[in-house]
Amino acid sequence: RKEVEQDPGPFNVPEGATVAFNCTYSNSASQSFFWYRQDCRKEPKLLMSVYSSGNEDGRFTAQLNRASQYISLLIRDSKLSDSATYLCVVNRRGNNRLAFGKGNQVVVIP
Amino acid sequence: NAGVTQTPKFQVLKTGQSMTLQCAQDMNHEYMSWYRQDPGMGLRLIHYSVGAGITDQGEVPNGYNVSRSTTEDFPLRLLSAAPSQTSVYFCASSYSQGNKNIQYFGAGTRLSVL
Repeated sequence: RKEVEQDPGPFNVPEGATVAFNCTYSNSASQSFFWYRQDCRKEPKLLMSVYSSGNEDGRFTAQLNRASQYISLLIRDSKLSDSATYLCVVNRRGNNRLAFGKGNQVVVIP
Repeated sequence: NAGVTQTPKFQVLKTGQSMTLQCAQDMNHEYMSWYRQDPGMGLRLIHYSVGAGITDQGEVPNGYNVSRSTTEDFPLRLLSAAPSQTSVYFCASSYSQGNKNIQYFGAGTRLSVL
Protein backbone atom coordinates (compact mmCIF):
# COMPACT_ATOMS: atom_id res chain seq x y z
CA ARG A 1 0.00 0.00 0.00
CA LYS A 2 1.35 3.41 -0.94
CA GLU A 3 2.13 5.74 1.93
CA VAL A 4 -0.04 8.54 0.52
CA GLU A 5 -2.92 7.91 -1.87
CA GLN A 6 -4.90 10.40 -3.89
CA ASP A 7 -7.48 10.06 -6.63
CA PRO A 8 -5.76 11.82 -9.54
CA GLY A 9 -9.02 13.00 -11.15
CA PRO A 10 -9.28 15.25 -13.08
CA PHE A 11 -11.83 17.13 -11.04
CA ASN A 12 -13.69 19.36 -13.50
CA VAL A 13 -15.25 22.21 -11.56
CA PRO A 14 -17.46 25.03 -12.87
CA GLU A 15 -16.15 28.46 -12.01
CA GLY A 16 -17.65 29.60 -8.72
CA ALA A 17 -18.43 26.10 -7.50
CA THR A 18 -16.96 24.23 -4.55
CA VAL A 19 -14.70 21.22 -4.92
CA ALA A 20 -13.35 18.92 -2.24
CA PHE A 21 -11.03 15.96 -2.29
CA ASN A 22 -9.33 13.66 0.15
CA CYS A 23 -6.02 12.00 0.59
CA THR A 24 -5.37 8.92 2.73
CA TYR A 25 -2.10 8.05 4.45
CA SER A 26 -1.02 4.66 5.69
CA ASN A 27 1.50 5.42 8.44
CA SER A 28 -0.16 6.19 11.74
CA ALA A 29 3.14 7.72 12.96
CA SER A 30 2.68 10.59 10.51
CA GLN A 31 2.66 13.86 12.35
CA SER A 32 2.71 16.73 9.85
CA PHE A 33 0.46 17.25 6.87
CA PHE A 34 0.50 19.68 4.00
CA TRP A 35 -1.15 20.58 0.75
CA TYR A 36 1.17 21.70 -2.05
CA ARG A 37 0.04 23.19 -5.33
CA GLN A 38 1.77 22.35 -8.60
CA ASP A 39 1.03 24.18 -11.82
CA CYS A 40 1.69 22.50 -15.15
CA ARG A 41 5.44 22.13 -15.75
CA LYS A 42 6.27 24.08 -12.60
CA GLU A 43 7.64 23.19 -9.20
CA PRO A 44 5.41 22.34 -6.22
CA LYS A 45 4.73 25.20 -3.83
CA LEU A 46 3.34 25.04 -0.32
CA LEU A 47 -0.36 25.90 -0.29
CA MET A 48 -1.05 25.32 3.39
CA SER A 49 -0.19 23.21 6.37
CA VAL A 50 -2.97 21.11 7.87
CA TYR A 51 -3.62 21.39 11.57
CA SER A 52 -5.43 18.91 13.79
CA SER A 53 -8.32 21.27 14.39
CA GLY A 54 -8.67 22.12 10.72
CA ASN A 55 -7.71 25.46 9.23
CA GLU A 56 -8.74 27.96 6.60
CA ASP A 57 -6.78 30.21 4.31
CA GLY A 58 -9.18 32.39 2.35
CA ARG A 59 -11.20 30.12 0.08
CA PHE A 60 -9.23 27.03 1.06
CA THR A 61 -10.11 24.80 4.01
CA ALA A 62 -8.03 21.83 5.14
CA GLN A 63 -9.14 19.13 7.55
CA LEU A 64 -7.32 16.26 9.25
CA ASN A 65 -8.96 13.06 10.45
CA ARG A 66 -6.37 11.07 12.39
CA ALA A 67 -8.75 8.24 13.31
CA SER A 68 -9.45 7.47 9.66
CA GLN A 69 -6.04 8.66 8.47
CA TYR A 70 -7.10 11.12 5.84
CA ILE A 71 -6.79 14.80 5.10
CA SER A 72 -9.04 16.87 2.91
CA LEU A 73 -8.93 20.08 0.95
CA LEU A 74 -11.97 22.15 0.06
CA ILE A 75 -11.88 25.03 -2.39
CA ARG A 76 -14.83 27.42 -2.33
CA ASP A 77 -15.85 29.84 -5.09
CA SER A 78 -13.39 28.26 -7.53
CA LYS A 79 -11.43 30.58 -9.78
CA LEU A 80 -9.88 29.77 -13.15
CA SER A 81 -6.51 30.37 -11.49
CA ASP A 82 -7.18 27.47 -9.10
CA SER A 83 -6.61 25.03 -11.97
CA ALA A 84 -3.59 23.02 -10.84
CA THR A 85 -2.59 19.74 -9.28
CA TYR A 86 -2.88 19.61 -5.50
CA LEU A 87 -0.35 17.34 -3.82
CA CYS A 88 -0.99 15.78 -0.44
CA VAL A 89 2.22 15.58 1.60
CA VAL A 90 2.89 13.76 4.85
CA ASN A 91 5.86 13.92 7.22
CA ARG A 92 6.56 11.09 9.60
CA ARG A 93 7.36 11.77 13.23
CA GLY A 94 11.05 12.40 13.82
CA ASN A 95 11.85 12.18 10.14
CA ASN A 96 12.52 15.02 7.74
CA ARG A 97 11.52 12.95 4.74
CA LEU A 98 8.24 13.84 3.12
CA ALA A 99 5.93 11.40 1.35
CA PHE A 100 4.03 12.82 -1.61
CA GLY A 101 0.77 11.70 -3.12
CA LYS A 102 0.37 11.68 -6.89
CA GLY A 103 -1.88 14.70 -6.73
CA ASN A 104 -5.48 15.70 -7.44
CA GLN A 105 -5.79 17.51 -10.75
CA VAL A 106 -8.34 20.32 -10.64
CA VAL A 107 -9.62 21.96 -13.81
CA VAL A 108 -11.85 24.98 -13.31
CA ILE A 109 -14.16 25.48 -16.28
CA PRO A 110 -15.51 28.92 -17.27
CA ASN B 1 16.60 36.36 -2.73
CA ALA B 2 16.98 33.50 -5.24
CA GLY B 3 15.69 30.63 -3.05
CA VAL B 4 16.56 27.30 -4.66
CA THR B 5 18.36 27.47 -7.99
CA GLN B 6 18.71 24.48 -10.29
CA THR B 7 20.82 24.25 -13.40
CA PRO B 8 20.47 23.34 -16.16
CA LYS B 9 16.74 23.71 -16.87
CA PHE B 10 16.87 21.25 -19.77
CA GLN B 11 19.35 18.55 -20.73
CA VAL B 12 19.55 15.82 -23.34
CA LEU B 13 22.01 13.00 -22.78
CA LYS B 14 23.00 9.88 -24.63
CA THR B 15 22.89 6.54 -22.85
CA GLY B 16 26.07 6.03 -20.86
CA GLN B 17 26.96 9.70 -20.49
CA SER B 18 27.45 11.17 -17.05
CA MET B 19 26.44 14.58 -15.83
CA THR B 20 25.83 16.61 -12.71
CA LEU B 21 22.64 18.48 -11.92
CA GLN B 22 23.41 21.53 -9.82
CA CYS B 23 21.35 22.78 -6.90
CA ALA B 24 22.07 25.77 -4.69
CA GLN B 25 20.05 27.47 -1.98
CA ASP B 26 20.61 30.78 -0.25
CA MET B 27 18.24 30.35 2.68
CA ASN B 28 20.75 28.64 5.00
CA HIS B 29 18.51 25.57 5.20
CA GLU B 30 19.97 22.45 6.76
CA TYR B 31 17.96 19.96 4.79
CA MET B 32 18.17 19.39 1.07
CA SER B 33 16.59 16.72 -1.12
CA TRP B 34 16.47 15.51 -4.69
CA TYR B 35 13.26 14.15 -6.21
CA ARG B 36 12.28 12.84 -9.57
CA GLN B 37 8.78 13.23 -10.96
CA ASP B 38 7.43 10.90 -13.60
CA PRO B 39 3.92 10.84 -15.11
CA GLY B 40 1.56 8.87 -12.89
CA MET B 41 4.25 8.30 -10.25
CA GLY B 42 4.28 11.45 -8.18
CA LEU B 43 7.45 12.77 -6.56
CA ARG B 44 9.96 10.14 -5.48
CA LEU B 45 12.89 10.87 -3.19
CA ILE B 46 16.31 10.03 -4.65
CA HIS B 47 18.76 11.27 -1.99
CA TYR B 48 18.65 13.73 0.85
CA SER B 49 20.96 15.52 3.25
CA VAL B 50 20.40 16.75 6.78
CA GLY B 51 23.48 18.97 6.78
CA ALA B 52 26.90 19.52 5.26
CA GLY B 53 28.83 16.28 5.06
CA ILE B 54 25.78 14.08 5.67
CA THR B 55 23.79 12.36 2.93
CA ASP B 56 21.43 9.41 2.80
CA GLN B 57 19.44 7.40 0.28
CA GLY B 58 15.80 7.89 -0.52
CA GLU B 59 13.44 5.50 -2.27
CA VAL B 60 15.11 5.44 -5.71
CA PRO B 61 18.86 6.06 -5.24
CA ASN B 62 20.27 3.62 -7.79
CA GLY B 63 22.23 5.29 -10.57
CA TYR B 64 22.67 8.55 -8.67
CA ASN B 65 25.29 9.98 -6.34
CA VAL B 66 25.19 13.10 -4.18
CA SER B 67 27.56 15.06 -2.01
CA ARG B 68 27.08 17.95 0.40
CA SER B 69 30.34 19.75 0.97
CA THR B 70 28.66 23.05 1.86
CA THR B 71 25.28 24.06 3.30
CA GLU B 72 24.41 25.84 0.06
CA ASP B 73 25.12 23.22 -2.59
CA PHE B 74 23.73 19.74 -3.18
CA PRO B 75 24.67 18.41 -6.64
CA LEU B 76 23.17 15.24 -8.07
CA ARG B 77 25.39 13.14 -10.28
CA LEU B 78 24.17 10.63 -12.85
CA LEU B 79 26.93 8.07 -13.18
CA SER B 80 25.95 6.44 -16.49
CA ALA B 81 22.69 7.78 -17.86
CA ALA B 82 19.97 5.35 -18.87
CA PRO B 83 16.65 5.99 -20.67
CA SER B 84 14.86 5.08 -17.42
CA GLN B 85 16.34 8.23 -15.92
CA THR B 86 14.39 10.44 -18.29
CA SER B 87 12.39 12.53 -15.87
CA VAL B 88 11.90 15.92 -14.27
CA TYR B 89 14.25 16.42 -11.34
CA PHE B 90 13.46 18.75 -8.46
CA CYS B 91 15.81 19.87 -5.76
CA ALA B 92 14.31 21.12 -2.49
CA SER B 93 15.62 22.71 0.64
CA SER B 94 13.77 22.84 3.90
CA TYR B 95 13.72 23.96 7.47
CA SER B 96 11.87 22.59 10.46
CA GLN B 97 9.23 24.72 12.11
CA GLY B 98 8.32 22.85 15.27
CA ASN B 99 7.16 19.47 14.00
CA LYS B 100 6.79 20.67 10.44
CA ASN B 101 9.26 20.39 7.59
CA ILE B 102 8.51 23.12 5.03
CA GLN B 103 10.12 22.42 1.66
CA TYR B 104 11.01 24.93 -1.05
CA PHE B 105 11.57 23.60 -4.53
CA GLY B 106 13.74 24.68 -7.39
CA ALA B 107 12.22 25.15 -10.84
CA GLY B 108 13.31 21.69 -11.98
CA THR B 109 15.58 20.12 -14.55
CA ARG B 110 13.97 18.31 -17.47
CA LEU B 111 16.25 15.49 -18.50
CA SER B 112 15.93 13.26 -21.56
CA VAL B 113 18.20 10.27 -22.02
CA LEU B 114 18.27 8.87 -25.54
